[in-house]
Amino acid sequence: NAGVTQTPKFRILKIGQSMTLQCTQDMNHNYMYWYRQDPGMGLKLIYYSVGAGITDKGEVPNGYNVSRSTTEDFPLRLELAAPSQTSVYFCASIPPGAEGSGNTIYFGEGSWLTVV
Amino acid sequence: QKEVEQNSGPLSVPEGAIASLNCTYSDRVSQSFFWYRQYSGKSPELIMSIYSNGDKEDGRFTAQLNKASQYVSLLIRDSQPSDSATYLCAVRPARQLTFGSGTQLTVLP
Repeated sequence: NAGVTQTPKFRILKIGQSMTLQCTQDMNHNYMYWYRQDPGMGLKLIYYSVGAGITDKGEVPNGYNVSRSTTEDFPLRLELAAPSQTSVYFCASIPPGAEGSGNTIYFGEGSWLTVV
Repeated sequence: QKEVEQNSGPLSVPEGAIASLNCTYSDRVSQSFFWYRQYSGKSPELIMSIYSNGDKEDGRFTAQLNKASQYVSLLIRDSQPSDSATYLCAVRPARQLTFGSGTQLTVLP
């Protein structure tokens, strides 16, 4: 198993550009999450999904969109990038039977995004 | 009121001392509580979980939970420079895992 894979690891965007952060897990996990972490801060939930075809907003969804067409993939789309979206983005997943358990959450390595 | 609040820090302790990290939460239905450690530039990693009132010890780490006071803490005994990191409190009220803003700990040699 490769775990949770995020791409790209680093990206610089210009204001107004769009991009997609990719997240893939090969562990057949139903629950997947996107968090952002600003410098010196904790993780804030952007969107989450409890299975293919189902997504829900988290704490800070504005400016982002997600889709979950397969169990494996949970891409995060940034439309019209703004400097306020400069952050580190973490994708995470939880195995079946442990939904919501912080004991078994698997994090990707993070994607560093800078909007200039 | 934020859902999960931590003492803001930064916190500095000398090597060998006890570091005390505190966290309060607002959602009374929360059942699961976690402490994560995050080194700079890395993903969070789980160090402790606690579900029942009282203390839970794991090596140099002790988590304490008081659901009546909606309070969870982490004690690190015999602090080492390698413990220098940001510590995140996390709470599970429902389908989501909600994190606090973190406390940066520095252990001075």
